[in-house]
Amino acid sequence: NAGVTQTPKFRVLKTGQSMTLLCAQDMNHEYMYWYRQDPGMGLRLIHYSVGEGTTAKGEVPDGYNVSRLKKQNFLLGLESAAPSQTSVYFCASIYKGTQYFGPGTRLLVL
Amino acid sequence: KQEVTQIPAALSVPEGENLVLNCSFTDSAIYNLQWFRQDPGKGLTSLLLIQSSQREQTSGRLNASLDKSSGRSTLYIAASQPGDSATYLCAGIYNTDKLIFGTGTRLQVFP
Repeated sequence: NAGVTQTPKFRVLKTGQSMTLLCAQDMNHEYMYWYRQDPGMGLRLIHYSVGEGTTAKGEVPDGYNVSRLKKQNFLLGLESAAPSQTSVYFCASIYKGTQYFGPGTRLLVL
Repeated sequence: KQEVTQIPAALSVPEGENLVLNCSFTDSAIYNLQWFRQDPGKGLTSLLLIQSSQREQTSGRLNASLDKSSGRSTLYIAASQPGDSATYLCAGIYNTDKLIFGTGTRLQVFP
C-alpha cells in the first residue's frame, strides 16, 4: 500500500510551457484534491474530484485543468505556465473524513 | 468568507515544556477540524481529526480540542521533544469535504 504518490517531485519550466502533474492513490478513495502551498498563504484548494469522471473548481482554479479518468489517478495540468504558478503542489485523498497527502511536487516557473 | 487563523506563527521552547497551539475559524458551520504536521520539504501528516460532535481527541502526547461556539481549536503537546519540531497546520472541514487551512505554527523544540 503506497498511499498517495506524486510525480514528478521537482520540475523547472519556462514561461508558456505546459506540463501535467500526476497523483495516484491505491486506497480506492473516491475524493481527491489538488492544493498549492505558498509561503505565508497556507494551502489553497485548486480543484477536486468526488469520483471517477467528475471534477470541480476549488479556491484558485485559474490556469489549471484537471482530469479523473480513472479512480486511482488525478491529473493536474498547466497549459501555459506562468511565474505565479511557482509553488509546491500537494495531492490528497480522503477516507472517513481524514485526508491523506502525497509528498508534494515542487514547481519552479522561470 | 471561511478563514482559519493560527497563532502564534512561530514558537521556540525548551525540551520538556508543555505547549498549546491555537487555531481559530470564522465559520462555525464546521464539519470537522483536522490537525496536521509538516516537516521541512515534506508533505502533511494527519495528527488528529475532531468531528463536530466531539470536543476533543487524544493521541499519545497530543490532545486537540474543539469549541465550535467560540470558533476555536487548540493542540496541546505534552512534554515536548526536539523531534516535535515541525510546522503544525489546522484545517476546518466544510461541505464537500473541502479543507480551509491556516497558515501554520512553526515549532522549534531545543534540547
